Amino acid sequence: AQSVTQLGSHVSVSEGALVLLRCNYSSSVPPYLFWYVQYPNQGLQLLLKYTSAATLVKGINGFEAEFKKSETSFHLTKPSAHMSDAAEYFCAGTDSGGYQKVTFGTGTKLQVIP
Amino acid sequence: GAVVSQHPSWVICKSGTSVKIECRSLDFQATTMFWYRQFPKQSLMLMATSNEGSKATYEQGVEKDKFLINHASLTLSTLTVTSAHPEDSSFYICSAQSGSGADTQYFGPGTRLTVL
Repeated sequence: AQSVTQLGSHVSVSEGALVLLRCNYSSSVPPYLFWYVQYPNQGLQLLLKYTSAATLVKGINGFEAEFKKSETSFHLTKPSAHMSDAAEYFCAGTDSGGYQKVTFGTGTKLQVIP
Repeated sequence: GAVVSQHPSWVICKSGTSVKIECRSLDFQATTMFWYRQFPKQSLMLMATSNEGSKATYEQGVEKDKFLINHASLTLSTLTVTSAHPEDSSFYICSAQSGSGADTQYFGPGTRLTVL
């Protein structure tokens, strides 16, 4: 079964600095991978998804992630942090592209310092 | 498009009562809906998968008699927390799948349940 590991439960960056949130997956089968953002007391909003097409995936709000099979990673990046980016970010994945349940990482809380 | 709503967004109830949470796909038909539970500062844990017109499939450790799930139509699934207790207090999030793959899963805004 797929498992997803997020390194760092809390990440702090200065406004305007690079955002890097780390995610590694475990499945040997090419997975679907997702990044979601959650603001306090709200549901999840999909930032981007990898579905075995292009390895560099661009999402909303200036975020992007690169699927690296050799490293089993799917790290989320944004060149310049904005105050509104402060939120909880979840990496998630499935075992394959079919009808499979989604497994979530433990989440990374991003703090943006003015 | 692909909007999922939940009602209520926040509910407070007394211990021993039952609470029903609705999950609706507003602009698409969802043959499959998922219910998640999220404890404070933790990740989402899948509780059950429901398919329209059939019994829900519960994850290991989830009491099916306590968390009743009904998926009576292609746009509505309900989660009823029966005889709620304070330990059931949590954030419940549903998602609805519009296609055959997990990449077509859309999440609702969540329901905060507080049991006194």
